[in-house]
Amino acid sequence: DVQLVESGGGLVQPGGSRKLSCAASGFTFSSFGMHWVRQAPEKGLEWVAYISSGSSTIYYADTVKGRFTISRDNPKNTLFLQMTSLRSEDTAMYYCAIDASAWFAYWGQGTLVTVSA
Amino acid sequence: DIQMTQSSSSFSVSLGDRVTITCKASEDIYNRLAWYQQKPGNAPRLLISGATSLETGVPSRFSGSGSGKDYTLSITSLQTEDVATYYCQQYWSTPLTFGAGTKLELK
Repeated sequence: DVQLVESGGGLVQPGGSRKLSCAASGFTFSSFGMHWVRQAPEKGLEWVAYISSGSSTIYYADTVKGRFTISRDNPKNTLFLQMTSLRSEDTAMYYCAIDASAWFAYWGQGTLVTVSA
Repeated sequence: DIQMTQSSSSFSVSLGDRVTITCKASEDIYNRLAWYQQKPGNAPRLLISGATSLETGVPSRFSGSGSGKDYTLSITSLQTEDVATYYCQQYWSTPLTFGAGTKLELK
């Protein structure tokens, strides 16, 4: 079965940094592009970033460009999101998701990041 | 950026109802539209891609239609397990964008 397990969330001070991970199993990770999507508490979904299977293509939402970095380690079947200069508006559940030609075929259960003093 | 508008943020439904949820894009998205279902405390689940293609395992009471800027998700004979929030998402261009969601609540 496909599994995506996010980790690394927690309480972070404004201006701080955090690195999220997404451990993948049950599919050939190196063959698929991957996304991060977030959801602020009681709010809707916001796409954050995309990385292609071989890391050659990367896109970011304008709201995180220059502050967040998406990366992946294919031999370790792991996706990352390095977040810096965090703001209160970055508080959200962060989901990793498998790309299927730019829609989201399968989602992990998410990891919660709270940015607060 | 393409804006996705779901006309209703919520509405009350009864079991057995036929439900139609609408989604309008700010420009033509050429059927590059997906629908997701999200239940409280859970991650979203893909229901439909390409505006009309039902994902494997999704009950046939769900269907999608539309073209151009206007799309709909229909549920025939609503079941208890269908009470959830539904999101549309366009993938015609980046940034990928979602509608604000439509929450179904039982009367």
